[in-house]
Amino acid sequence: EVQLVQSGAEVKKPGESLKISCKGAGYSFNTYWIAWVRQMPGKGLEWMGIIYPGDSDTRYSPSFQGQVTISADRSIKTAYLQWSSLKASDTAMYFCARLGNNWAQFEYWGQGALVTVSS
Amino acid sequence: QSVLTQPPSASGTPGQRVVISCSGSSSNIGSNSVNWYQQFPGTAPKLLIYNDYQRPSGVPDRFSGSKSGTSASLAISGLQSEDEADYYCAVWDDSLNGRGMFGGGTKLTVL
Repeated sequence: EVQLVQSGAEVKKPGESLKISCKGAGYSFNTYWIAWVRQMPGKGLEWMGIIYPGDSDTRYSPSFQGQVTISADRSIKTAYLQWSSLKASDTAMYFCARLGNNWAQFEYWGQGALVTVSS
Repeated sequence: QSVLTQPPSASGTPGQRVVISCSGSSSNIGSNSVNWYQQFPGTAPKLLIYNDYQRPSGVPDRFSGSKSGTSASLAISGLQSEDEADYYCAVWDDSLNGRGMFGGGTKLTVL
């Protein structure tokens, strides 16, 4: 059974750094793209970027380029989303998802990680 | 404002057929596969339709997808109360070195 298990909820202050994770299980982690999707409170879904764990090829949406870093550690089948300096506007639910055969086809989803940034 | 345009809301009564539209352009819907997602409050989205019209295993055939030119549609027939949810279209866009995008979402209410 394919599973993506995300790290837990985080409460941070503006300016702090953060790295959240997404661990894959039940499939060949290296051979499927992983995506990160943002959902701000009461709002819609936003495609942030994707990574291919096999060679760490990464693509970002222009809206998120330079704002976050997507990475992966093949040895522990885990993808990451990180911020170097959080803002209040980063408060959102973040989902990871495994892609299928097109870059907007998210076949499997993590449970989501709520990030709250508040002073 | 999303490049993919969906109506913010839709509604129907049990048993009815409802259609949700997703309007884009030649660089996204016009040249790439459309996918649809269903999301209930507080939960992760679920893939409903991929490659314009294909259904993943387990998705009832009451849900169907279609595409024509730069627009796509999700149809739900035999509407049920449990279909009340948010629905999103998603597609790859070839502009700006390529990026994925979601429509703004449609909240479906079953009256």
